[in-house]
Amino acid sequence: GAVVSQHPSRVICKSGTSVKIECRSLDFQATTMFWYRQFPKQSLMLMATSNEGSKATYEQGVEKDKFLINHASLTLSTLTVTSAHPEDSSFYICSARLTPNTEAFFGQGTRLTVV
Amino acid sequence: AQKITQTQPGMFVQEKEAVTLDCTYDTSDQSYGLFWYKQPSSGEMIFLIYQGSYDEQNATEGRYSLNFQKARKSANLVISASQLGDSAMYFCATPIQGGSEKLVFGKGTKLTVNP
Repeated sequence: GAVVSQHPSRVICKSGTSVKIECRSLDFQATTMFWYRQFPKQSLMLMATSNEGSKATYEQGVEKDKFLINHASLTLSTLTVTSAHPEDSSFYICSARLTPNTEAFFGQGTRLTVV
Repeated sequence: AQKITQTQPGMFVQEKEAVTLDCTYDTSDQSYGLFWYKQPSSGEMIFLIYQGSYDEQNATEGRYSLNFQKARKSANLVISASQLGDSAMYFCATPIQGGSEKLVFGKGTKLTVNP
């Protein structure tokens, strides 16, 4: 099946710094990718839709200046958590789908800890 | 908007027995799909099974099957012959709206398989 690769899997950063997370579709072109956030023992919450060649669309309540999304190519979307604070510590996971009626393929996820 | 309800925060099952994880959904769309994902403690999301609303047969994939009752708006996951490796979080999901690539997830059920 299709493969989505996410890097890094874990990152620890100091408060106030920025962290970039990469999401790559390895064997297919993804014009759209999705970024989710998951707090411990909770479900996945959609943060934003990453659109190749255009601006990302953010879900209500998600700060677009805090979570910068860039989708510069058909195989790469990046999420940058800017000026990270401890409350940004979470599990971030990306996904892409081949068609609307097929399963979403997920990256391995990134566990971000801000100290 | 679509909504997924998983009412079982945790379930326990003996190894080699079958277990049913509940999922009900609320949708106004005529055509929709339902997905089940497994999330082990490592965090990755593993696609298990898909059911289309117009599929006449209940979906099956190996030890996984879906008990789809359209009139009751339920799509329960049945895992047969449980294995220790089945211990994980299980999420039911559906597109946010018909044809959308965005998924909305239920809160999940934590399954523990006892030896």
